[in-house]
Amino acid sequence: GAGVSQSPSNKVTEKGKDVELRCDPISGHTALYWYRQRLGQGLEFLIYFQGNSAPDKSGLPSDRFSAERTGESVSTLTIQRTQQEDSAVYLCASSLTGGTLNSPLHFGNGTRLTVT
Amino acid sequence: SQQGEEDPQALSIQEGENATMNCSYKTSINNLQWYRQNSGRGLVHLILIRSNEREKHSGRLRVTLDTSKKSSSLLITASRAADTASYFCATVEVNTGFQKLVFGTGTRLLVSP
Repeated sequence: GAGVSQSPSNKVTEKGKDVELRCDPISGHTALYWYRQRLGQGLEFLIYFQGNSAPDKSGLPSDRFSAERTGESVSTLTIQRTQQEDSAVYLCASSLTGGTLNSPLHFGNGTRLTVT
Repeated sequence: SQQGEEDPQALSIQEGENATMNCSYKTSINNLQWYRQNSGRGLVHLILIRSNEREKHSGRLRVTLDTSKKSSSLLITASRAADTASYFCATVEVNTGFQKLVFGTGTRLLVSP
């Protein structure tokens, strides 16, 4: 079946512009995560959606970052007034269940964002 | 925040040799997972070990978990050039409102033919 799909795969934007990144999780997966990965670095947790519960936004670095998810389907990550330090790969992952997370995460290939 | 720290940060070996990567973490966990990332791609799940397990095998992979030392190791036996990738450990934090998966900083493995 289809995996996690992210679009666009690459995005170049000018400083100060807004960008919207999209994630289509695997059908039936209730949990969805966004992570940020700077060049040569590990993954930085941004936000976690679990079913219809309020999301865990504790990883969002500033109020310029926001994310939404419609039910248990598509999610969008929006970055307003982009800055050069926002340049990174943004990875989305979904899993069958959240909870104790005994189900692994399935990752998309990410969106590489470059802010010029 | 980074829960796990992998060691070494980089490892270079010859094909056929074994590769061992270590992960240390700070808080109590439900389980620990290892992921692999090829350059420019998303992460792929390799193996999950629960907090009440001490060792787990999957093909050429062997994972150990020592909860008393808050550490885990990933052993890749008889390495191949195709094993070249970054390897990350990830843990689920216990007793938080949301049980999020937190990743370590990764080990970059280079296997030369």
